[in-house]
Amino acid sequence: AQSVTQPDIHITVSEGASLELRCNYSYGATPYLFWYVQSPGQGLQLLLKYFSGDTLVQGIKGFEAEFKRSQSSFNLRKPSVHWSDAAEYFCAVSRSGGGADGLTFGKGTHLIIQP
Amino acid sequence: GAGVSQSPSNKVTEKGKDVELRCDPISGHTALYWYRQSLGQGLEFLIYFQGNSAPDKSGLPSDRFSAERTGGSVSTLTIQRTQQEDSAVYLCASSARGGTKHNEQFFGPGTRLTVL
Repeated sequence: AQSVTQPDIHITVSEGASLELRCNYSYGATPYLFWYVQSPGQGLQLLLKYFSGDTLVQGIKGFEAEFKRSQSSFNLRKPSVHWSDAAEYFCAVSRSGGGADGLTFGKGTHLIIQP
Repeated sequence: GAGVSQSPSNKVTEKGKDVELRCDPISGHTALYWYRQSLGQGLEFLIYFQGNSAPDKSGLPSDRFSAERTGGSVSTLTIQRTQQEDSAVYLCASSARGGTKHNEQFFGPGTRLTVL
């Protein structure tokens, strides 16, 4: 069965500094990978996705992620964080590749921004 | 509507009562999903519908949980004889079908269920 690991429960970053959130997945075939963000009291918002092709994907709000098959990783990055980026970030993999199916989520990383 | 809507936004019930949670997907989206978010278990996938059919119900936590979707649109998640461990936020999502949008899921705001 597929699984997603986000090793960092909490990360604290200074405003303006760069950010990298780690995500490792376990899946037998080519995965469909996602990053979602959840702000306090808000629903889940899709930041970006990887289906195939270019392994560096761009998303909204200045985020990007790189798919590395050899490392089974899909890390999220941002060059310069803003205080509004403070939120919970979830990495997810589609349960069965393409096609409609549920997502398996990691436990999430709580991002704290220091002024 | 513009996005996925869920009702009620909050539900408080007594242990042993039945509850119904409703999800209205984005217009034109053929797939609909239910998830549960709790402190202890994180985000758990429960069930999905392609049209009106649910190919896989194995994610439902127990036989007290059921879901249906009629007319390829609105879905209801029913929890019978609620237990305190059912307290969580229940999230609904929908996705379009085909192309690069396949399985790109858009989430609703959730229903916060509290079982006393």
